[in-house]
Amino acid sequence: DQQVKQNSPSLSVQEGRISILNCDYTNSMFDYFLWYKKYPAEGPTFLISISSIKDKNEDGRFTVFLNKSAKHLSLHIVPSQPGDSAVYFCAASETGANNLFFGTGTRLTVIP
Amino acid sequence: DAGVIQSPRHEVTEMGQEVTLRCKPISGHDYLFWYRQTMMRGLELLIYFNNNVPIDDSGMPEDRFSAKMPNASFSTLKIQPSEPRDSAVYFCASSLVGELFFGEGSRLTVL
Repeated sequence: DQQVKQNSPSLSVQEGRISILNCDYTNSMFDYFLWYKKYPAEGPTFLISISSIKDKNEDGRFTVFLNKSAKHLSLHIVPSQPGDSAVYFCAASETGANNLFFGTGTRLTVIP
Repeated sequence: DAGVIQSPRHEVTEMGQEVTLRCKPISGHDYLFWYRQTMMRGLELLIYFNNNVPIDDSGMPEDRFSAKMPNASFSTLKIQPSEPRDSAVYFCASSLVGELFFGEGSRLTVL
């Protein structure tokens, strides 16, 4: 059973606009969340993370928002650039655990 | 460091054949993970090791799958016998604390 869900398999956005990628989780024990980015023929690479003690974490053009009551997080990319086109995976874990549970990914296409 | 190194990058084999995927983690990392990527399930954890010891293999789909880590710099994932439904991209990842570093993956096609 998927504990981390990304219900949008794909998203297309115009260059310069905001990209919003969504993620839901079911396990209330999860308290650390990450986003990974994956280009074709490459492994996923870490992008940004957030701990459950926060509701927002920002790193340059990337911001992750966490809504614990809704068990929902989102990744905002502003402004979107063509180089952001990739598959984005949401992941979650519990404190003290070492494995990550991943979603199915969202393919983002930024149109020049 | 060269990062996590996986081989082969691509493997095409026939049903019933044995497949061995290899992984060299980043030096100094004491956790090693094997993930499988499919369209339906995304990245699913198969097994992970800590200090060469298997910690959780509950994600290994069947007895046809086995994984070993004979030393800190090498791990294998073996499928015997392979089946068409095993076709996927298999990723190895290593970590010290927190963030996982992934290899480029091994794309397996079982005909």
